[in-house]
Amino acid sequence: QSVLTQPPSASGTPGQRVTISCSGSSSNIGSNYVYWYQQLPGTAPKLLIYRNNQRPSGVPDRFSGSKSGTSASLAISGLRSEDEADYYCAAWDDSLRAYVFGTGTKVTVL
Amino acid sequence: EVQLVESGGGLVKPGGSLRLSCAASGFTFPNVWMSWVRQAPGKGLEWVGHIKSKTDGGPTDYAAPVKGRFTISRDESKNIVYLQMNSLKIEDTAVYYCTTGVLTDYFGGYWGQGTLVTVSS
Repeated sequence: QSVLTQPPSASGTPGQRVTISCSGSSSNIGSNYVYWYQQLPGTAPKLLIYRNNQRPSGVPDRFSGSKSGTSASLAISGLRSEDEADYYCAAWDDSLRAYVFGTGTKVTVL
Repeated sequence: EVQLVESGGGLVKPGGSLRLSCAASGFTFPNVWMSWVRQAPGKGLEWVGHIKSKTDGGPTDYAAPVKGRFTISRDESKNIVYLQMNSLKIEDTAVYYCTTGVLTDYFGGYWGQGTLVTVSS
């Protein structure tokens, strides 16, 4: 069962800004880095954000991450059709001694 | 270029065993923590466990659902990480991914293509 809570879906029209939230607790998001992944249908996840707000090389700056307290969020600005995918947050949990993933959010481009 | 290639998936009966392999290349394997993540059909991502680098002593951590049944090990001579799965349950059916960050605090930076494990009678 997921420890991090995300909205099941989000949507927007091309060019719009979409934000996905990730809610956790003091033992995970509150005290450790947050990661965000994009998963296109039938493919392995791809790292979008690490250390809360850092983008790996090659990830467009349309993707941005932030963290405040026990919550984090991923923003996608200038939404494009190829952004239609599932998005997951993740963090290490000190109490569980395990990485925990969010429930996942399906982004639809209308 | 970092590459991770999983193998060993297949169909197994409940209670059975299976060993997955993940062949790694493109980085200094002994220095890197390696993880396994799974995804049940139509479901989200679930961390299975990890093995720390040889330089960090190589201890392991596991998710609660697999603790005591799954074992992660690594062969530095072959640059391979293994996932030994025993006492398999139907709910272990999933695509299993091998993943690593290579760098510190870069969890999930690189992923394999995944291998499907189906537990069914």
